[in-house]
Amino acid sequence: EDQVTQSPEALRLQEGESSSLNCSYTVSGLRGLFWYRQDPGKGPEFLFTLYSAGEEKEKERLKATLTKKESFLHITAPKPEDSATYLCAVRKYSGGGADGLTFGKGTHLIIQP
Amino acid sequence: DTAVSQTPKYLVTQMGNDKSIKCEQNLGHDTMYWYKQDSKKFLKIMFSYNNKELIINETVPNRFSPKSPDKAHLNLHINSLELGDSAVYFCASSPTGGLTEAFFGQGTRLTVV
Repeated sequence: EDQVTQSPEALRLQEGESSSLNCSYTVSGLRGLFWYRQDPGKGPEFLFTLYSAGEEKEKERLKATLTKKESFLHITAPKPEDSATYLCAVRKYSGGGADGLTFGKGTHLIIQP
Repeated sequence: DTAVSQTPKYLVTQMGNDKSIKCEQNLGHDTMYWYKQDSKKFLKIMFSYNNKELIINETVPNRFSPKSPDKAHLNLHINSLELGDSAVYFCASSPTGGLTEAFFGQGTRLTVV
């Protein structure tokens, strides 16, 4: 069975204190690993897609990396507005047609000023 | 312009009632989805539609039925509502048969009393 495990469940950092969030996955035929940000009362907001091991993508203070077993979301010098729940999801090869994302349970990140 | 919009945002109803949630996307995407986020914030795929054809029907009760009048709309009908149906329901869409990222609506918080 496909599994996506995120750690830690919750993380509290001081403003400017860099850290990394982990997403480990077990899926047959990976067709993409996705990172989303979710603010309270809102829908997930797309951040990154990674397709192959070794791939990296950056956006402002965020950098996502991918290996064959896990992905990291690195947060450099975070600000309070980076506080949110970060969700990792995978899409697998299904032999054709559309298939949904399998999500992890998320990491709840709090950045204290 | 809202890319993926859902109505209503909040829905409170009694057990046994039948209700619908509407979803519309103006992105021209091929595929639309319904996800359920439970009280523990775990996001899980329910259905996906590609060009008006149901591609995935996850193990959800048959009281739930998606209906797509056209490519831009995917409504969710729920019959005989139960307490356990209380959750946040998200509509999403993606282009190219689901090969790329999905864009989510703001969610509908359903409370069954």
